[in-house]
Amino acid sequence: GQNIDQPTEMTATEGAIVQINCTYQTSGFNGLFWYQQHAGEAPTFLSYNVLDGLEEKGRFSSFLSRSKGYSYLLLKELQMKDSASYLCAVLYSGAGSYQLTFGKGTKLSVIP
Amino acid sequence: DGGITQSPKYLFRKEGQNVTLSCEQNLNHDAMYWYRQDPGQGLRLIYYSQIVNDFQKGDIAEGYSVSREKKESFPLTVTSAQKNPTAFYLCASNQAGTGNEAFFGQGTRLTVV
Repeated sequence: GQNIDQPTEMTATEGAIVQINCTYQTSGFNGLFWYQQHAGEAPTFLSYNVLDGLEEKGRFSSFLSRSKGYSYLLLKELQMKDSASYLCAVLYSGAGSYQLTFGKGTKLSVIP
Repeated sequence: DGGITQSPKYLFRKEGQNVTLSCEQNLNHDAMYWYRQDPGQGLRLIYYSQIVNDFQKGDIAEGYSVSREKKESFPLTVTSAQKNPTAFYLCASNQAGTGNEAFFGQGTRLTVV
């Protein structure tokens, strides 16, 4: 599989800003997704990046640098409900097929 | 409503038995995926399929089998050869190609006793 690395756990304070980093192998790269997953539930889509730069969507933003194999998810004005795991996923292409590979996820704890 | 459905949500099986997990989607998506998630871990790819009657092994295919006889359906069989089958199994689908988010089913929590 393709190595996708992200921190295991992070803790941040309600109302603050947190940045979750993700690095990945660049060979075959065809786009990067961020998902949110609450415990015991299915992941839900947050953002998609395929070109370099920042994509903003409300309190959430995602950045991509294809040359560096690097992305981050930025969460602003943190709320308690943002406590969840955040999964970085890369779409790889090769031999005529596309494979969606996930990192191990970053468990974010938001504290009062 | 369009969506992707996994059933059942909870499944118990005795060790040594094969078990098949269901995944159905009515989103007209070409690609479907099966992932396994262990406690505190990320999603690991078991099998994926881009078109009907074709599928590829993911990172942890050993002990699993799939079929893709219809576009809407991608069942996963957990065989007795899978040494640690107890896990949370997630099925996903998307329109094949770039930029298309994957939609997930609600997951099946399989416990082998």
